[in-house]
Amino acid sequence: DADVTQTPRNRITKTGKRIMLECSQTKGHDRMYWYRQDPGLGLQLIYYSFDVKDINKGEISDGYSVSRQAQAKFSLSLESAIPNQTALYFCATSDSLSGDEQFFGPGTRLTVL
Amino acid sequence: GDSVTQMEGPVTLSEEAFLTINCTYTATGYPSLFWYVQYPGEGLQLLLKATKADDKGSNKGFEATYRKETTSFHLEKGSVQVSDSAVYFCALKSGGSYIPTFGRGTSLIVHP
Repeated sequence: DADVTQTPRNRITKTGKRIMLECSQTKGHDRMYWYRQDPGLGLQLIYYSFDVKDINKGEISDGYSVSRQAQAKFSLSLESAIPNQTALYFCATSDSLSGDEQFFGPGTRLTVL
Repeated sequence: GDSVTQMEGPVTLSEEAFLTINCTYTATGYPSLFWYVQYPGEGLQLLLKATKADDKGSNKGFEATYRKETTSFHLEKGSVQVSDSAVYFCALKSGGSYIPTFGRGTSLIVHP
């Protein structure tokens, strides 16, 4: 079974709709991250959380919000989706005690029409 | 601030060819360096890493050496396979930062 899961894997929505992407992990890691991937631009950090009560903005947080419901769950919301939010979204985790490696989920492909 | 520069792709090779993907970085202090690989339809996964100067990371036939004097961490493989076709990301994490910095990724296409 995958250690980091994301739902949905694919989503098509319309401009102005609210959408939530969910991430769950069974690795027991304390740190979780949301990234966006666009062709040729690499990964851009949206939000990150180092524990349940800690939420931090990344480099491109405008238009997004997050919730850390539990240590194992970190969701990303688009309150009012717009077409330039069409991208591949990745959740990642890391463990503050055991090193710097990040573990990524399989990604959610979001299309905003 | 920290930054990572990778060669632009795509890099297109024939099977069994030698691979080099260049990566240079700018960082304060002595960062840890990483190569991640993203296979089609999947998330990134760690390929190899090095934590101090002159360290060599290696995995699955890939190697990269931490070169402080040239601030580089080039990825090499002596003989690529079709199954190596993927996007490769160079990344660093400085000691004073909680978040890694990723390069833009280099797509590798290997033809039979």
